[in-house]
Amino acid sequence: QPVLTQSSSASASLGSSVKLTCTLSSGHSSYTIAWHQQQPGKAPRYLMKVEGNGSYNKGSGVPDRFSGSSSGADRYLTISNLQLEDEAIYFCETWDNDIWMFGGGTKLTVL
Amino acid sequence: QEQLVESGGGVVQPGRSLRLSCAASGFTFMNYGMHWVRQAPGRGLEWVAVISYDGSKKSHADSVKGRFTISRDDSKSTLFLQMNSLRADDTAVYYCARLRSGYGMDVWGQGTTVTVSS
Repeated sequence: QPVLTQSSSASASLGSSVKLTCTLSSGHSSYTIAWHQQQPGKAPRYLMKVEGNGSYNKGSGVPDRFSGSSSGADRYLTISNLQLEDEAIYFCETWDNDIWMFGGGTKLTVL
Repeated sequence: QEQLVESGGGVVQPGRSLRLSCAASGFTFMNYGMHWVRQAPGRGLEWVAVISYDGSKKSHADSVKGRFTISRDDSKSTLFLQMNSLRADDTAVYYCARLRSGYGMDVWGQGTTVTVSS
């Protein structure tokens, strides 16, 4: 089954852009993933799914500043015009044969 | 508005049992598979179990297999997690989440806290 790898932390300045990466393990580069945001003290929130061909589909109410893309085994979440409320942990999720798994999460700090 | 509300958490001694509930509203519950996901203090997300839309298929993580059981009652739009033989490492916030096929977990509850301690 696939393993998802994420950097533990990232930082970017207010108003700038940041690109977070979720990498699928060998042999699973075609898998679809989902991105979730978890603000401090809150439940996770679904952001979008990102497919292996680079297409993405956002959840209801997700701002236009959020977008997804893909390259090989990497799935990306790009946040433009960073806001203070974007400071959160971002998790990726995937699934295979009725088993689900998450990446370790990337903690994003907005400077 | 689609909503999931968990309940049933609390403090329980090791070896005891607890049943969590997740009440769904704002969507047709019987059309969706459902998950339980947990998060230990200061840790990431860990998938626990999934049940298909009609209850015919269930899958549990190895860490809880044989101790936890997922189930559902479509007449009450409610998801359950029966947790037996609880251990200290089961201490976590437990979330229910809706499964949208091909999209991932697209609706989350607010979570309920389970603390296993003597």
